[in-house]
Amino acid sequence: AQKITQTQPGMFVQEKEAVTLDCTYDTSDPSYGLFWYKQPSSGEMIFLIYQGSYDQQNATEGRYSLNFQKARKSANLVISASQLGDSAMYFCAMREGNTGKLIFGQGTTLQVKP
Amino acid sequence: GAVVSQHPSRVICKSGTSVKIECRSLDFQATTMFWYRQFPKQSLMLMATSNEGSKATYEQGVEKDKFLINHASLTLSTLTVTSAHPEDSSFYICSATGVGNQPQHFGDGTRLSIL
Repeated sequence: AQKITQTQPGMFVQEKEAVTLDCTYDTSDPSYGLFWYKQPSSGEMIFLIYQGSYDQQNATEGRYSLNFQKARKSANLVISASQLGDSAMYFCAMREGNTGKLIFGQGTTLQVKP
Repeated sequence: GAVVSQHPSRVICKSGTSVKIECRSLDFQATTMFWYRQFPKQSLMLMATSNEGSKATYEQGVEKDKFLINHASLTLSTLTVTSAHPEDSSFYICSATGVGNQPQHFGDGTRLSIL
């Protein structure tokens, strides 16, 4: 069965510092997609970054980058130059190939300190 | 701008009321829409998958008669919580995706409070 694990319930980071949010996954499918979403306290889910299982390079989107280590089955999110507005809950998710369903991790609450 | 619109954003109503939540894709054809439920400080729990023109596929443990889903067009899916009770109070959020490897785009969610 497919599974996503986020082992950090909460993280703190100093403003302007970089932070890594961990995500590991388990699947037997050779083709899968990995996503990170941000959920501020207002509740909306904001898509941040996507990594395909066959992508050779790590995905990057502005201050977000995904450290994809396929052999270790990890897809950690790196946020560089943290801003106060980055304080939110972050979810890692994996897409099932056949159905398109997203399986979410438990989430990590990030707090950026001024 | 938002590509998925969800309405209403908040509902407060009495026990026994049925509540309808709409999810619209604004600038793309959503072949599949998903409905999630989220309790405070927890992850999103998938309730059902909705494909345009066909019956929704419900996850195990989700009562299909309680949570009615309709996906009548490529831009609109609705979730109706029938005869809602306080235990149905939660944050409900929809997402939509088109064909291929597009990410799911989420609505802003609906906070449902049953008194």
